Amino acid sequence: KNEVEQSPQNLTAQEGEFITINCSYSVGISALHWLQQHPGGGIVSLFMLSSGKKKHGRLIATINIQEKHSSLHITASHPRDSAVYICAGNTGNQFYFGTGTSLTVIP
Amino acid sequence: GAVVSQHPSRVICKSGTSVKIECRSLDFQATTMFWYRQFPKQSLMLMATSNEGSKATYEQGVEKDKFLINHASLTLSTLTVTSAHPEDSSFYICSARGDPNEPQHFGDGTRLSIL
Repeated sequence: KNEVEQSPQNLTAQEGEFITINCSYSVGISALHWLQQHPGGGIVSLFMLSSGKKKHGRLIATINIQEKHSSLHITASHPRDSAVYICAGNTGNQFYFGTGTSLTVIP
Repeated sequence: GAVVSQHPSRVICKSGTSVKIECRSLDFQATTMFWYRQFPKQSLMLMATSNEGSKATYEQGVEKDKFLINHASLTLSTLTVTSAHPEDSSFYICSARGDPNEPQHFGDGTRLSIL
């Protein structure tokens, strides 16, 4: 069993839909990261959070430390949001990666 | 925002060749750099962590002599795949971090193909 589990593995949505990607972890971490990997392979760090909620544009990330669970929400989804979203937890230099959620947003 | 430049973006070479991949932090001092490998349709696999001026810490199962990492300055780390073989073909990504409380910044990756 992976230390970090994501769901769903694949997600297809219509443009404009509200999207939620879930992440659960079973290890102690000091921070949780949401990463976005584009089809070409490049990775962008979207959020790094250790408590509560963060918002950046149409993206919202939340974390519940007691439940060891985080969610990434995308409001008013757009085809350019199509990418693989990876959840990762870290303590110091020890990182645990989820297997990613492949999101496709259809126009 | 912080930028990490990774070069080259793609390499195709013959078996037995050694390949060097560079990772540079362009506008911040990268105290720590990370090297990852990613197989198709799989998540990132951390290969090693390097701190400037000290030896890299390799993850279990990663051969130190095969994947040489040098982090000689606060803005540059290199990964050299020595005597590459087809099974080394993969996507390699670096990331860099200054303050441990700050997020990592990723390079665009290097797609390595060994013929």
